[in-house]
Amino acid sequence: DAGVIQSPRHEVTEMGQEVTLRCKPISGHDYLFWYRQTMMRGLELLIYFNNNVPIDDSGMPEDRFSAKMPNASFSTLKIQPSEPRDSAVYFCASSWDRWGDTEAFFGQGTRLTVV
Amino acid sequence: AQTVTQSQPEMSVQEAETVTLSCTYDTSESDYYLFWYKQPPSRQMILVIRQEAYKQQNATENRFSVNFQKAAKSFSLKISDSQLGDAAMYFCALNNAGNMLTFGGGTRLMVKP
Repeated sequence: DAGVIQSPRHEVTEMGQEVTLRCKPISGHDYLFWYRQTMMRGLELLIYFNNNVPIDDSGMPEDRFSAKMPNASFSTLKIQPSEPRDSAVYFCASSWDRWGDTEAFFGQGTRLTVV
Repeated sequence: AQTVTQSQPEMSVQEAETVTLSCTYDTSESDYYLFWYKQPPSRQMILVIRQEAYKQQNATENRFSVNFQKAAKSFSLKISDSQLGDAAMYFCALNNAGNMLTFGGGTRLMVKP
């Protein structure tokens, strides 16, 4: 398996524009996570899915952020409208449906810059 | 709520020496898993080592080992015979029954040749 695949690797956009980040989890994994990494706040869990269903989105900063998982092999994180403070590295991760003994496999992240 | 704290923002070690990275955590769960992740400049998050809370024996993976003190809620990472390739950000993480990974703020490790 190629691992968790995220696209794009880098995204530069203007304030107010819509941004869509994409993730392809490892085949067979039942959990998918979206994290945001910033210098100030470190790694934060935004939302996670189990079997394509959002389980906990309490980490989503505000209504400008939305995430979907239309099928087991694809997820998107959308920011509309984007703001400079959204600039961060966004990670997607996936794992097996096994409580506790769960190694999360991470993608290489998308570096988002909002100017 | 669970928290993970890494009190050392930055550490340095001489090549071939040993270094210990600190991590403390707080959780109300009795069963959980602890992890150390390595993030090199490539940004990839790589699992270094994992510890099950119900196991008293400290986990070991080659040059990497942990000192798990459950009562003190401490989970430090020891890197022996440090190599230049060990230079990276290291994140301590806690996974509880809710299957949510909570990360510490990270420690940047520099390895001096």
